[in-house]
Amino acid sequence: GAGVSQSPRYKVAKRGQDVALRCDPISGHVSLFWYQQALGQGPEFLTYFQNEAQLDKSGLPSDRFFAERPEGSVSTLKIQRTQQEDSAVYLCASSTLFKRGDYEQYFGPGTRLTVT
Amino acid sequence: GENVEQHPSTLSVQEGDSAVIKCTYSDSASNYFPWYKQELGKRPQLIIDIRSNVGEKKDQRIAVTLNKTAKHFSLHITETQPEDSAVYFCAATLRRNYGQNFVFGPGTRLSVLP
Repeated sequence: GAGVSQSPRYKVAKRGQDVALRCDPISGHVSLFWYQQALGQGPEFLTYFQNEAQLDKSGLPSDRFFAERPEGSVSTLKIQRTQQEDSAVYLCASSTLFKRGDYEQYFGPGTRLTVT
Repeated sequence: GENVEQHPSTLSVQEGDSAVIKCTYSDSASNYFPWYKQELGKRPQLIIDIRSNVGEKKDQRIAVTLNKTAKHFSLHITETQPEDSAVYFCAATLRRNYGQNFVFGPGTRLSVLP
């Protein structure tokens, strides 16, 4: 079946621009995660949704970062007034119901954001 | 704070040799430890995982061992092949009030030389 998809795959933004990154999780997956992966580093947690509820946003690096999942399926990560340090790959992952012990996360291909 | 350390950061082996990557974690409540393989420009993919009630798990050429007392776990790849070349990430769960989350290690770049 279809896996997690993300769009766009690549995004170049000028410093100060706003960007919106989209994630389509696997159909029926309740849990959705956003990660930021800097070059040569492991994924770092940004935020977590269970259905439409954002239960954890402790990893968002600043108030310029905002995420939503209004209908409990597609999610959007928005970054306002982008800065060069925002350049990274943004990964989305989904899973069935993380809380219940179904821990495997399925990752999307990521969006590579470059801020110039 | 809660973190996962991973060693070595780079590893080169000859084809057919074994490779071992080690991770340590800090949260004693962690109970699930996955390993992901990430090829250049591609998404991380789960290759093996282990839960805290098990000490070892094997899947063909890949095995993972867990020592909960010492809070470390290791990935073992035997009879390495060039297609095993990739970056490998370990992770551990962190307990949260809504369930659990992941913290990832910094990764190990494995190169298998033909």
